[in-house]
Amino acid sequence: DIVMTQTPLSSPVTLGQPASISCRSSQSLVHSDGSTYLSWLQQRPGQPPRLLIYNIFNRFSGVPDRFSGSGAGTDFTLKISRVEAEDVGVYYCMQATQFPRTFGQGTKVEIK
Amino acid sequence: EVQLVESGGGLVQPGRSLRLSCAASGFTFGDYAMHWVRQVPGKGLEWVSGLSWNSGYIGYADSVKGRFTISRDNAKSSLYLQMNSLRAEDTALYYCAKGDYHGSGAYADYWGQGTLVTVSS
Repeated sequence: DIVMTQTPLSSPVTLGQPASISCRSSQSLVHSDGSTYLSWLQQRPGQPPRLLIYNIFNRFSGVPDRFSGSGAGTDFTLKISRVEAEDVGVYYCMQATQFPRTFGQGTKVEIK
Repeated sequence: EVQLVESGGGLVQPGRSLRLSCAASGFTFGDYAMHWVRQVPGKGLEWVSGLSWNSGYIGYADSVKGRFTISRDNAKSSLYLQMNSLRAEDTALYYCAKGDYHGSGAYADYWGQGTLVTVSS
């Protein structure tokens, strides 16, 4: 199974400042069809997860443009350009290149 | 509006079975991959199972392989998870999530509120 490792596990951020979360996979996420199936999800307290980014850098419908994804192969990053209060929650990366799909452990973003 | 409503959770004894259902609306169910994902309260997400839009690809987490079976009924716009030989470690909130169009679950873009499964004697 592909292991997804996120760093940091906790990220205290000042409002208006940027935040960055790293996700590393134990093997390349490039599928045989040429796509890379790496997505990012946000889970606010008490809520189900919400898709932010899919296929490395594609922002899902309604997601603010302060969220961006980048990376390739085994190393991926989610960036929040200016953290807002509503961004508090846990962020997960998920790979869907191979079965079984797997998630990272989650990164908790909180306000300092 | 996409809606996913899970049901079928509850308290069950170890070794028994339970069948979860997910009723979908707001999209053409038969055209989309689907997932089951679980979460122990206060812990991270664990992908449980998923199937492609045409059920041609089906996958399971190692922790449930051989015990859980995923299926879909496109006529009823419903997703199911048959859970047999339940263990205490299967206790979690189970989410149903919608996948990609004519795909095998490249992402999970809409999620239900979840149904809680508690396995205990």
